[in-house]
Amino acid sequence: DIQMTQSPSTLSASVGDRLTITCRASQSINNWLAWYQQKPGKAPKLLIYKASTLESGVPSRFSGSASGTEFTLTISCLQPDDFATYYCQQYNTIGTFGQGTKLEIK
Amino acid sequence: QITLKESGPTLVKPTQTLTLTCTFSGFSLTTVGEGVAWIRQPPGKALEWLAHMYWNDDKRYSPSLRSRLTITKDTSKNQVVLTVTNMDPDDTATYFCAHIRDSYAYGSYWGQGTLVAVSS
Repeated sequence: DIQMTQSPSTLSASVGDRLTITCRASQSINNWLAWYQQKPGKAPKLLIYKASTLESGVPSRFSGSASGTEFTLTISCLQPDDFATYYCQQYNTIGTFGQGTKLEIK
Repeated sequence: QITLKESGPTLVKPTQTLTLTCTFSGFSLTTVGEGVAWIRQPPGKALEWLAHMYWNDDKRYSPSLRSRLTITKDTSKNQVVLTVTNMDPDDTATYFCAHIRDSYAYGSYWGQGTLVAVSS
């Protein structure tokens, strides 16, 4: 099985901050990686797929990048609506998710 | 517009079989590249991908749960059904179904989820 190690598990930030969340795959996943945002009691929302392709309708302050087996989600200018939990998911094989990063207001 | 909705029991007993139905609209499982996945999330925990299937009846299962899962489709009803055998309290979770597009197994659209508790 491919393991996804996501960090940090919790992140405190302020509106306007720039931040990054990292996911590391246990083996090559050929950039088949998606990022989701989930708010309490809601279904996840797709933000990015193929490591860096922004889903239609998602604000451009979200971006994704890849370097080997390390993947990052960057939010360039944090907005109040962005406080949520974020998950990465590899889909090179049957999907596996990271453990999530809870983004809290500082 | 793509929508999905999960339905099924809210409570099952240990050892029972859970049957969940995903009813969708806005796409067809007769169209090349389309698919549906099932994902679950225990309370306060991370997401777990369970299974998915494609328009051509290709099916994939989580290795750790493969022996207990079955995914099927009814194209005439626009439904995908997941059965989970031998339910255990550790299977208590919100179960989501999601749309797969272009044969890439990530969830582009998700249902609202349905909470299933396992208790005697």
